[in-house]
Amino acid sequence: AQSVTQPDIHITVSEGASLELRCNYSYGATPYLFWYVQSPGQGLQLLLKYFSGDTLVQGIKGFEAEFKRSQSSFNLRKPSVHWSDAAEYFCAVGHDSNYQLIWGAGTKLIIKP
Amino acid sequence: DGGITQSPKYLFRKEGQNVTLSCEQNLNHDAMYWYRQDPGQGLRLIYYSQIVNDFQKGDIAEGYSVSREKKESFPLTVTSAQKNPTAFYLCASSSGQGTDTQYFGPGTRLTVL
Repeated sequence: AQSVTQPDIHITVSEGASLELRCNYSYGATPYLFWYVQSPGQGLQLLLKYFSGDTLVQGIKGFEAEFKRSQSSFNLRKPSVHWSDAAEYFCAVGHDSNYQLIWGAGTKLIIKP
Repeated sequence: DGGITQSPKYLFRKEGQNVTLSCEQNLNHDAMYWYRQDPGQGLRLIYYSQIVNDFQKGDIAEGYSVSREKKESFPLTVTSAQKNPTAFYLCASSSGQGTDTQYFGPGTRLTVL
């Protein structure tokens, strides 16, 4: 079955520290991968996406993600977090033959001052 | 500015009443989507539409109905048959391919009393 797993429900990091949010997927075809961010009570905003090519993808707000096919992972990273990064982060998987995205349950990022 | 609008932001209804949530986009996108978001469950697809006058059920369509009479508009009706309608509802649109970025509205929080 196709699925997306974000193993961490919550992550707490200190401001200025590095961040890695995990995303693992199970998908039959070559996946198209997305990371979105949601501030409380708001809609979702695309951070970055991977379709093909370079497996290290740069996104907005200083985020990057690396596609590792052998590990079925697409982890999101940021070298130094800011208090404004506190939000919920969602990983999603899709395919060009299918309009539906499969969504992870989300990881809530908490920033310690 | 181009974007997606959802109204109202907060909606309260009595149990047994139907309620319609509005979603309008001026991005000239062909595809539109309705998601339901509950805490800890990520996004679940209710309905999606690839083109005017056509729409498909998503994973949790029971108790919901939609229409797509205009390209810009994709209203969602939560009927009295929906057993647990209290949730955060998100509308999204994309240019048409399954791998295209989905752009989200700010959401409507529905509370059924």
